[in-house]
Amino acid sequence: NAGVTQTPKFRVLKTGQSMTLLCAQDMNHEYMYWYRQDPGMGLRLIHYSVGEGTTAKGEVPDGYNVSRLKKQNFLLGLESAAPSQTSVYFCASSSPGLAGEQYFGPGTRLTVT
Amino acid sequence: EDQVTQSPEALRLQEGESSSLNCSYTVSGLRGLFWYRQDPGKGPEFLFTLYSAGEEKEKERLKATLTKKESFLHITAPKPEDSATYLCAVQAGGANSKLTFGKGITLSVRP
Repeated sequence: NAGVTQTPKFRVLKTGQSMTLLCAQDMNHEYMYWYRQDPGMGLRLIHYSVGEGTTAKGEVPDGYNVSRLKKQNFLLGLESAAPSQTSVYFCASSSPGLAGEQYFGPGTRLTVT
Repeated sequence: EDQVTQSPEALRLQEGESSSLNCSYTVSGLRGLFWYRQDPGKGPEFLFTLYSAGEEKEKERLKATLTKKESFLHITAPKPEDSATYLCAVQAGGANSKLTFGKGITLSVRP
């Protein structure tokens, strides 16, 4: 099993450009999450999904959109990137009832100039 | 608002020198407390779940404990491969509620 995979691993964007981060999991998990991790800030939840076709806002959702068209995939979009979105982005997944035991991907390092 | 505070921010130990990492929390109705390990350049890896005060969990050189206000991650006779950032997170409310993470403790173990 690959677990949770993320594409791409690194990306540099110019201010105003758009991009989509892809997360895939092969553990048949219902729940999926997108976090960002910044120095001195810890992990912060951006958006999450409790099942195919559903999404919900987390702690820091502004400037991001998400879609969960297939159970195994969770996409994070940046429509107009800003330097404040420079961060490391992590996707995670979990089973219902065990939302605290999350499996994380390797991360995407995004720099917005 | 749920809060998680981890201390110290960084800890340097000599190989074999036991110590403890602290996670203090303020939450309304603790559902669970979770410890994760994160290696540089990688995603966090789940270690332990603690549900109630007095509970303990062990894995190799690590032991996690829980009280009503804090959790400790005890590291016994650490080795250089235990060097990592250790994250604490709390979950309040229902079983599928979101996690609130602390900022982490960076542990370095010198050979």
